[in-house]
Amino acid sequence: GEEVAQTPKHLVRGEGQKAKLYCAPIKGHSYVFWYQQVLKNEFKFLISFQNENVFDETGMPKERFSAKCLPNSPCSLEIQATKLEDSAVYFCASSQSGSGRAFFGQGTRLTVV
Amino acid sequence: AQTVTQSQPEMSVQEAETVTLSCTYDTSESDYYLFWYKQPPSRQMILVIRQEAYKQQNATENRFSVNFQKAAKSFSLKISDSQLGDAAMYFCAYRTAKYGNKLVFGAGTILRVKS
Repeated sequence: GEEVAQTPKHLVRGEGQKAKLYCAPIKGHSYVFWYQQVLKNEFKFLISFQNENVFDETGMPKERFSAKCLPNSPCSLEIQATKLEDSAVYFCASSQSGSGRAFFGQGTRLTVV
Repeated sequence: AQTVTQSQPEMSVQEAETVTLSCTYDTSESDYYLFWYKQPPSRQMILVIRQEAYKQQNATENRFSVNFQKAAKSFSLKISDSQLGDAAMYFCAYRTAKYGNKLVFGAGTILRVKS
């Protein structure tokens, strides 16, 4: 597709529940980036992939967050045992090359109650 | 560490006037990219303009232009002939291949346009 598709648009989870977010990058794009935008609007980098390989995971809170990009499947970001502070909009972006322009999806708004 | 600072939490401009949003950054790299993104209430991230650090010429996209001062590590965005549709949050961002090409964002500036 010609746009980065993120699903779902909205997700509500009770504290302690699991949340799984999906991202289909633009066809032909090799790089996928996940960012978290908290309610104060601050952006935080989480993780990036080059094809199905983790490229940079320096931003991931590893104890509860995990992510995958498998061939022929949307990429996913999973949060085990969600906490109130995980409430945020999660953006996925893809690019053709590491230095290419990043195209953003519409984001998934996660609300933890 | 790479940091991006936007010192103006909020700016206002009259329709048809010009406004400049400020951004400074800190890096020891010589090869990098700088960006301005617009985020309207819909939360969609829209690329406004980008600047390669090796290019001395300031980037321009229609009513949007930048003032890139590499030595001063400053990257301001000028919006000319402001329109109501320009009202949004604007983020300055930095990226370098040395750190995996991840975007480092400033805190954002809310731009309000008065009719």
